[in-house]
Amino acid sequence: GAGVSQTPSNKVTEKGKYVELRCDPISGHTALYWYRQSLGQGPEFLIYFQGTGAADDSGLPNDRFFAVRPEGSVSTLKIQRTERGDSAVYLCASSLTFIGTNTGELFFGEGSRLTVL
Amino acid sequence: AQRVTQPEKLLSVFKGAPVELKCNYSYSGSPELFWYVQYSRQRLQLLLRHISRESIKGFTADLNKGETSFHLKKPFAQEEDSAMYYCAPTPPNTGNQFYFGTGTSLTVIP
Repeated sequence: GAGVSQTPSNKVTEKGKYVELRCDPISGHTALYWYRQSLGQGPEFLIYFQGTGAADDSGLPNDRFFAVRPEGSVSTLKIQRTERGDSAVYLCASSLTFIGTNTGELFFGEGSRLTVL
Repeated sequence: AQRVTQPEKLLSVFKGAPVELKCNYSYSGSPELFWYVQYSRQRLQLLLRHISRESIKGFTADLNKGETSFHLKKPFAQEEDSAMYYCAPTPPNTGNQFYFGTGTSLTVIP
C-alpha cells in the first residue's frame, strides 16, 4: 500500500489482558513514531525508532508498554496488563530522515482505537 | 512541563472572516516549527512548515522568537478549513522528534 497501515483499526479488550498493535510504515521510511491520542487531546509522543533501534522511548508511560521494530520496517506496540486508562487511539507515523536534517513531514496511519473494559 | 500551548480548544469564525490559531512553545533556541491538520474522517497530515516559508491553502504562520509563538493565520476563512489544527514545534538539536500541542478545533460558519 502507499500509506501507513495500522491494524487492528479497533480493539476491545478486558482489563488485565495483553494487546499488540501493528504498524506498517511507508516503504523506505527509516523513522517510525508511535503516539497516543486520548479524547480531546493532541497526539502524545510515546516512542521513536530510527531503523531497528528505539532512538527515544521517553514517552512510554510505564513498563507495561513496549515497542519493537526488529527488521526496521513493521513495528509492534505491546501493552501488558491493560488498564482502563490505556483506552485511546494509538497513532503510528513514518518519515524519511536524512542525517542532520529534519524533513518535517510525518505520514500518519488511521490509528488503532483501543478500548479497555 | 508544558512545551506547546494552543490556548483555544474551540474556535468559530464566519466564512470570509480572518482566522488566527495561536501556538506558543517553551523551548529555548530555534525549534523547527510545523502545523498539522486533521479534516473530518481523514488522517493527520502536514499543513505547513516554517522552514519552507510557504503558504498552503491560504494559510501562513509567522515565527515570533521574542514571544516564542508560531500562530497560524488565514485572511479569509473557507468552510473547508473546518478541522482540527495541531501545532508541532520540534525542540532544537533533537533530530527528528515531534511533539504536538493539544489542538484547536476550527469551525467555519457558512
